[in-house]
Amino acid sequence: GESVGLHLPTLSVQEGDNSIINCAYSNSASDYFIWYKQESGKGPQFIIDIRSNMDKRQGQRVTVLLNKTVKHLSLQIAATQPGDSAVYFCAENIENAGNMLTFGGGTRLMVKP
Amino acid sequence: GAVVSQHPSWVICKSGTSVKIECRSLDFQATTMFWYRQFPKQSLMLMATSNEGSKATYEQGVEKDKFLINHASLTLSTLTVTSAHPEDSSFYICSAQGVGEKLFFGSGTQLSVL
Repeated sequence: GESVGLHLPTLSVQEGDNSIINCAYSNSASDYFIWYKQESGKGPQFIIDIRSNMDKRQGQRVTVLLNKTVKHLSLQIAATQPGDSAVYFCAENIENAGNMLTFGGGTRLMVKP
Repeated sequence: GAVVSQHPSWVICKSGTSVKIECRSLDFQATTMFWYRQFPKQSLMLMATSNEGSKATYEQGVEKDKFLINHASLTLSTLTVTSAHPEDSSFYICSAQGVGEKLFFGSGTQLSVL
């Protein structure tokens, strides 16, 4: 049967609005961070990454902000579209210690038309 | 971007049977492959890391005799769930990485054990 687990926090936004998804990481030695998008029944899809020597990186409609002082990462999606509806995970990594990613708990983004 | 193919995408089996899941890197050589497990509404949990030609490294709590991993070539890794039981029902995801490459994920395999 289906496992009973934690329910993902959900962010509900109106189409066209901006979305901000937050993530707190735990390992102060982590130096590489990635945001993934996962649609139902599919594997994670790379969105954007950032290294610890930066505090902001922009892509197409997405921006990642990194605050190393408080170990916080955020993903901003501009002009959110229905196709952005998915679960978003942040992942942290120590690049010189292998490529094992540690994933955060995830946030479900629901875009209302 | 690089493509990682995972097969099958869905499998239903009887309790006690073994199920093999394949993960292929289609346009690059994957020196390292990772296998994850994901329960509904939860994050991905790393099960094991495999490097081509060597034994997989399993995370704590993952039974290596239960989840057999083979990474015999630079483009293929397999995960075999031996003697599957209903509690093994889950979404299994592989990821692959080559030298200097980002990590790319397969599309996942939903395993349902009756």
